[in-house]
Amino acid sequence: GDSVTQMEGPVTLSEEAFLTINCTYTATGYPSLFWYVQYPGEGLQLLLKATKADDKGSNKGFEATYRKETTSFHLEKGSVQVSDSAVYFCALSDNTGGFKTIFGAGTRLFVKA
Amino acid sequence: SQTIHQWPATLVQPVGSPLSLECTVEGTSNPNLYWYRQAAGRGLQLLFYSVGIGQISSEVPQNLSASRPQDRQFILSSKKLLLSDSGFYLCAWSTAVTDTEAFFGQGTRLTVV
Repeated sequence: GDSVTQMEGPVTLSEEAFLTINCTYTATGYPSLFWYVQYPGEGLQLLLKATKADDKGSNKGFEATYRKETTSFHLEKGSVQVSDSAVYFCALSDNTGGFKTIFGAGTRLFVKA
Repeated sequence: SQTIHQWPATLVQPVGSPLSLECTVEGTSNPNLYWYRQAAGRGLQLLFYSVGIGQISSEVPQNLSASRPQDRQFILSSKKLLLSDSGFYLCAWSTAVTDTEAFFGQGTRLTVV
């Protein structure tokens, strides 16, 4: 079945460091890919998405590119801030799976001042 | 606009007691509905999803069940709670199209004692 694998955390960075959180997926169809973010004490919210190969999603300085050849959707940010500390979830939605959204295990990010 | 309501926000229940968590969506018709569990220190696990009234798919064998008595109502239940049922439960909805995001409720923190 469909699955999403993302790097284990926690990831600890200093402010202004470069961030990469790896995400790879397995899907039988042509999924859409998402990154969600969960700030402390809050629910999940969509950070960015990409719906087809080579699309780049971006929001709040974060970017991820849909790479079909490597089945990856890595999240990057050039300069993290303390306020970026959160749990990040990679996810896919595949129309051959009943339109349900499958999430990775989540990666916790700590950013130190 | 669409909104999702999930209650209660927190719940402490003894082992062996029943459970009923309710989720309702407003402002949309025929949504896909989901129940996820987020165990402490772990990622999101899809428990149930529904594409229509009375249509429930279970993703993992467990002590829980789900029902969808109305188009925009999704209920998570158990007849007898186990300690292992403790966790953070999230209800979500999406439209039946792969390139739209899932929208999450604020979650229910369940502690089984």
